[in-house]
Amino acid sequence: EIVLTQSPGTLSLSPGERATLSCRASQTVRRSYLAWYQQKPGQAPRLLMYDASSRATGIADRFSGSGSGTDFTLTISRLEPEDFAVYYCKQYGTPPVTFGQGTRLEIK
Amino acid sequence: QVQLQESGPGLVKPSETLSLTCTVSGGSISPYYWGWMRQPPGKGLEFVGWVYYTGTTSYNPSLKSRVVLSLDTSKSQFSLKVTSLSAADTAVYYCARAMDSKPFDIWGQGTMVTVSS
Repeated sequence: EIVLTQSPGTLSLSPGERATLSCRASQTVRRSYLAWYQQKPGQAPRLLMYDASSRATGIADRFSGSGSGTDFTLTISRLEPEDFAVYYCKQYGTPPVTFGQGTRLEIK
Repeated sequence: QVQLQESGPGLVKPSETLSLTCTVSGGSISPYYWGWMRQPPGKGLEFVGWVYYTGTTSYNPSLKSRVVLSLDTSKSQFSLKVTSLSAADTAVYYCARAMDSKPFDIWGQGTMVTVSS
């Protein structure tokens, strides 16, 4: 199975700053079938990005995704207070679906 | 607006079988994939499996020997059974929906399952 490694484990930033989250795959993610989810405490994950760079319905344009092959990035251009959460990447190109271990984005 | 709602016991004994149901409201079962994920307390997400609207299933290899997914289109429900439970199966279980070649986009709120005697 494809192992996804996210870095950093924790990212401490202030509102208004730019956040860059990384997701590296152990092998090529077929067709860039890579998604990003946001999860807040006590809530289900929310889909942010799919196919590496497409925003899900209703997602603000400060969120963007990029990458291909084995290296992918989620960028939040200017952090809003509600963006502090845990972020997971997930590949759905090769069975079984696998998730990264998550990056915690915390307020500095 | 499609909504998913998990239901089932919150506490199950070790070695027993867990049965969870996800009810779909506001939308059709077809032509979607219906999946289950779980999240142990304080940990990350784990894919359990999915069932396609046709009844085809796919499972996480690490759980395949203990998991069965099924679909009841007449009730707009799909179900998860996990056998031979241990404390390691304690988690929040989520059901979710996906379109072909797309990630799970609609999730239930999750249901906490504790395995303990």
